Amino acid sequence: EAGVAQSPRYKIIEKRQSVAFWCNPISGHATLYWYQQILGQGPKLLIQFQNNGVVDDSQLPKDRFSAERLKGVDSTLKIQPAKLEDSAVYLCASSSRTSGGRETQYFGPGTRLLVL
Amino acid sequence: GQQLNQSPQSMFIQEGEDVSMNCTSSSIFNTWLWYKQDPGEGPVLLIALYKAGELTSNGRLTAQFGITRKDSFLNISASIPSDVGIYFCAGPDAMTTDSWGKLQFGAGTQVVVTP
Repeated sequence: EAGVAQSPRYKIIEKRQSVAFWCNPISGHATLYWYQQILGQGPKLLIQFQNNGVVDDSQLPKDRFSAERLKGVDSTLKIQPAKLEDSAVYLCASSSRTSGGRETQYFGPGTRLLVL
Repeated sequence: GQQLNQSPQSMFIQEGEDVSMNCTSSSIFNTWLWYKQDPGEGPVLLIALYKAGELTSNGRLTAQFGITRKDSFLNISASIPSDVGIYFCAGPDAMTTDSWGKLQFGAGTQVVVTP
């Protein structure tokens, strides 16, 4: 089965510019997550979607970050305008619930963003 | 919110040696997860633990869910070069009623294996 796809893999921008990341989850996975991973740290959840609805965006800096999953499949994460501290790896993950109520999050390879 | 503390921060070991790392939390967890992240890739789930005291193996990996529910351990036996990577502990936020979903990650343990 195909894994979680993300693009681009790398992006270099100047501060105050805008950038968008794209994620295609595993087919059939209803839940999609965006994480931010700063160098030397573990991933930090930014936003969680269930189908096309937002479940949790409490840690998303909404003044500059936005995300959507319009048709409940692909998702985009946008930063506008970018700051130096946004330099990080942006990971997308997807999951589906088993009959036992458990789920495994499968991560994509990430997009490495460098803000200069 | 919860804090996950992983130790050690990094380990340099020789091929064939065993590796041990642990993770502690400031509050109780109902589930402990261990992930491995290779350079340039996303994390991959290695082991999931669901009950206090549970001991689970996956090949040369063994993980335990601490009795206090505030800690977990991961052991790698007879390390090989492909064990190189960053190992993360993670667990769902106890504030959520859902047992999964919003994961908190530790800062990771960097493992380097030398021939």
